[in-house]
Amino acid sequence: QVQLQESGPGLVKPSETLSLTCTVSGYSISSGFYWGWIRQPPGKGLEWIGTTHHSGRTYYNTSLKSRLTISVETSKNQFSLKLSSVTAADTAVYYCAMTDLLLDGAFDIWGQGTMVTVSS
Amino acid sequence: DIQMTQSPSSLSASIGDRVTITCRASQSISSKLNWYQQKPGTAPKLLIYAASSLQSGVPSRFSGSGSGTDFTLTISSLQPGDFATYYCQQGYSTPPTFGQGTKVEIK
Repeated sequence: QVQLQESGPGLVKPSETLSLTCTVSGYSISSGFYWGWIRQPPGKGLEWIGTTHHSGRTYYNTSLKSRLTISVETSKNQFSLKLSSVTAADTAVYYCAMTDLLLDGAFDIWGQGTMVTVSS
Repeated sequence: DIQMTQSPSSLSASIGDRVTITCRASQSISSKLNWYQQKPGTAPKLLIYAASSLQSGVPSRFSGSGSGTDFTLTISSLQPGDFATYYCQQGYSTPPTFGQGTKVEIK
């Protein structure tokens, strides 16, 4: 079955760049669907970060767009997130997910999530 | 951006109770409304998509209804594993937006 797994540093210093990778297994990213990132600050709700497609088409949360890059590496069946100039407000659990953006927009399958803390 | 408002923010219920959670969109989203269940320390799980379609493997005691701006999630008979936080999410337009969540607690 389709599985997603986030990876990356759990601690990032303020003003530095947060980098995460999502590895997809059981499905080829190039076969379709869209691939998204969602985050959840401790004790709070869910915030969409951005969504990408193997074609290169990418959608960003406008509040993060100036600091955000999401890309796909089809050869590794991975997609990644880079968020620059981080502050404590970026501390959150970061999830990657598979989404049928053009149909019902649901996030069908999620990774387990990875906690990222921004602190010196 | 489309705002999603859930009510109540939390509720207490007993095993076997019928539970209803509502979600209202700030503009019409047709039937592009999805529901998730999240238990502490775990990722959200898709329960209902397109307002009323049950995701594969989800028990039939969960159901969804509505269209336009008003939607409901119903649990027909609350079970021990259903105590969790539930989120609605609109998939009508980018950015996809989530409700603030409804926490279902044991009475």
